[in-house]
Amino acid sequence: DAGVTQSPTHLIKTRGQHVTLRCSPISGHKSVSWYQQVLGQGPQFIFQYYEKEERGRGNFPDRFSARQFPNYSSELNVNALLLGDSALYLCASSSSTRGELFFGEGSRLTVL
Amino acid sequence: DAKTTQPNSMESNEEEPVHLPCNHSTISGTDYIHWYRQLPSQGPEYVIHGLTSNVNNRMASLAIAEDRKSSTLILHRATLRDAAVYYCILRASNSGYSTLTFGKGTMLLVSP
Repeated sequence: DAGVTQSPTHLIKTRGQHVTLRCSPISGHKSVSWYQQVLGQGPQFIFQYYEKEERGRGNFPDRFSARQFPNYSSELNVNALLLGDSALYLCASSSSTRGELFFGEGSRLTVL
Repeated sequence: DAKTTQPNSMESNEEEPVHLPCNHSTISGTDYIHWYRQLPSQGPEYVIHGLTSNVNNRMASLAIAEDRKSSTLILHRATLRDAAVYYCILRASNSGYSTLTFGKGTMLLVSP
């Protein structure tokens, strides 16, 4: 069975640009969460979606937004990129809002 | 979420047991203790979780102190593949949804 898949795996953007990251959850999983991992730190929670509704939001500015589609895939959007947005963005899926999380390998974003 | 304290790093030799400690003195009665690990260049993966009793699975064992203020993840025979950052996380069970609050974790180094 396919795990959580994320795209793109690597990307480079410049300050002020916009980025969209995509995530496909494990088949049957209805919850998707997004995490940001800066080098040397543990992942930090950004959003959780369940059944297309936002169920949780971490301490991130409004430049960060996300949505979940009817097929439970998800997009994370970041506007007006800053150098500090350079990080590994991880998507995780679970069968419920409080189930075990299964993580993808992440999208590595570099902002120049 | 309540906070956990872990050593920054630990070393082990291959095929020896490893005991990874975690302190969580402010744990509440409804908090589950979760362990995830992150191998190099991968997303975190679930290892084990428990509430009060010790737990065993194919990957590891979790020993929980009687007062629940500390726990220990036990890898019975370390392999090179177990070299990773191990995160001890408290996850609330009494809310409609819950997220994982990662700290810096313990980097486990395994020598042949």
